[in-house]
Amino acid sequence: DAKTTQPTSMDCAEGRAANLPCNHSTISGNEYVYWYRQIHSQGPQYIIHGLKNNETNEMASLIITEDRKSSTLILPHATLRDTAVYYCIVRATFGNEKLTFGTGTRLTIIP
Amino acid sequence: DVKVTQSSRYLVKRTGEKVFLECVQDMDHENMFWYRQDPGLGLRLIYFSYDVKMKEKGDIPEGYSVSREKKERFSLILESASTNQTSMYLCASSNSGSVGNEQFFGPGTRLTVL
Repeated sequence: DAKTTQPTSMDCAEGRAANLPCNHSTISGNEYVYWYRQIHSQGPQYIIHGLKNNETNEMASLIITEDRKSSTLILPHATLRDTAVYYCIVRATFGNEKLTFGTGTRLTIIP
Repeated sequence: DVKVTQSSRYLVKRTGEKVFLECVQDMDHENMFWYRQDPGLGLRLIYFSYDVKMKEKGDIPEGYSVSREKKERFSLILESASTNQTSMYLCASSNSGSVGNEQFFGPGTRLTVL
């Protein structure tokens, strides 16, 4: 699976959009981009995934660049409950169920 | 509501003890996983299982074994606990065959080995 690079930490004001970047320059054609988050003292929680088109669900939006070498997770109206560590993971599809977690980005929402 | 449960939230054991960590999922998922999480190292995969009685080594299997006798239950075994196995242990499960197949995690077991 391709390696990802994320900033160690970020702050965002409550009510503003939080934009979390991820670089995955060695991504290959059959690899999806997944995002998870982990709130303190809980297990990780799935947020969203995508291949090459932008995706949106009730939690977030995922923007993937045309060359697929980077992506951005957007939390449109951040709340204090969004304070967590966010993990960007690249993973092949069929035949590989594993997820390789890096150290992620610690997002702090500021009141 | 989907659920992955782990037998204990907190566990304290002594060096050399045999330790069992249990994980149960109620979603009829084929795949189950054991991770450990340490500060600065993120989550690291210990073992995973695609089916009953099947197991595969993850990235850090040394010092651990697993058992999957029933589809819903996946046990992690520390044959002889050591202090460097003090960690947060997370279990997860996922379904096979769909592209999304996100992993659902349990709340974790914080194990301290004295």
